[in-house]
Amino acid sequence: GQQLNQSPQSMFIQEGEDVSMNCTSSSIFNTWLWYKQDPGEGPVLLIALYKAGELTSNGRLTAQFGITRKDSFLNISASIPSDVGIYFCAGHVGNTGKLIFGQGTTLQVKP
Amino acid sequence: DTAVSQTPKYLVTQMGNDKSIKCEQNLGHDTMYWYKQDSKKFLKIMFSYNNKELIINETVPNRFSPKSPDKAHLNLHINSLELGDSAVYFCASRRNEKLFFGSGTQLSVL
Repeated sequence: GQQLNQSPQSMFIQEGEDVSMNCTSSSIFNTWLWYKQDPGEGPVLLIALYKAGELTSNGRLTAQFGITRKDSFLNISASIPSDVGIYFCAGHVGNTGKLIFGQGTTLQVKP
Repeated sequence: DTAVSQTPKYLVTQMGNDKSIKCEQNLGHDTMYWYKQDSKKFLKIMFSYNNKELIINETVPNRFSPKSPDKAHLNLHINSLELGDSAVYFCASRRNEKLFFGSGTQLSVL
């Protein structure tokens, strides 16, 4: 089946640094979503991407939908301690209604 | 005011028992889901219902039976619980391409 490969698996950075993570697939996706999960909570939607090449920002977060529709990246600028959590990419499988997730990137920020 | 709420938050039970997790959404969405998150944090889709009808069933053991009495509710009943069922279970509802998740039910089978 379709899979999303997310990297890096984990990151440990200093407060104020910029962060970049990405997601790739061997299959084409029509929509890419980025979620963040805090400990003990459910994933929360950060950014949704709908068109190849689309670049979208949400505060300090920027995400892009790759031209080939097989990849996406998420950047976080000037990280702060509350950015700590697990970041997931997700994509819809055709018109099946299935949203599948990458393995997640665990981000830790040192004050 | 919680958009997607699930109960209980924690569930500790013995192997072989039967248990249920309830989910309700007040967003007016037609489609709801159950996901399972394992110890490595991988999120795997289990089921989806659209307006009370099952539309996705992802090779889940038939000990798991979802029930949707109306489009605002999707409950998950699990029979004969096994150790491997221990995980966090998330309910979600969908608007267009976006899924909105509950805060999860941590199930521990002893």
